Amino acid sequence: DAKTTQPPSMDCAEGRAANLPCNHSTISGNEYVYWYRQIHSQGPQYIIHGLKNNETNEMASLIITEDRKSSTLILPHATLRDTAVYYCIVRVLNNNAGNMLTFGGGTRLMVKP
Amino acid sequence: NAGVMQNPRHLVRRRGQEARLRCSPMKGHSHVYWYRQLPEEGLKFMVYLQKENIIDESGMPKERFSAEFPKEGPSILRIQQVVRGDSAAYFCASSPVYTGELFFGEGSRLTVL
Repeated sequence: DAKTTQPPSMDCAEGRAANLPCNHSTISGNEYVYWYRQIHSQGPQYIIHGLKNNETNEMASLIITEDRKSSTLILPHATLRDTAVYYCIVRVLNNNAGNMLTFGGGTRLMVKP
Repeated sequence: NAGVMQNPRHLVRRRGQEARLRCSPMKGHSHVYWYRQLPEEGLKFMVYLQKENIIDESGMPKERFSAEFPKEGPSILRIQQVVRGDSAAYFCASSPVYTGELFFGEGSRLTVL
């Protein structure tokens, strides 16, 4: 699976959009970009994933650059409850090795009032 | 639909004792993953199981740790002769076949005195 690079920490004002970047310059054509988050002391939570098109769901939007070497997770109106560590993970979707995910250091997002 | 259930949520053991952590996957999920998170560190993959089979145990320590997912009942992560370095949060995740979305439990926190 391709390696990802994320800033270790970011701050965001409550009510503003939080834009979390991720670099994955070695991504291959069949690898998806996944985002998970871990709120303090809880289990990780799936947010969104995509291949090359931008994706949106009730939690967030995922913007993937045309060359697929980077992506941005957007939380449109951050709340204090969005304070968490956000993980960007790149992996192949369907393979016989199952759905094992490799978590890096992530970005610690602090939403401030 | 109940989520991934882990128990106990908190477990205290003395050095040399055994710890057993249980994980019941979401209904309809046949794949189970165990991760460990040491204090102030990231999530590390341990083992991936399907019913009655260990598919990938590349992240499991070679000694004292074992895992099973029997035909009936929850998955069990067993740690024999625990040491202080085993103190950590152990997370279980489950997934349906061949999708990238892992659903995590709330974790079991092991403290070794």
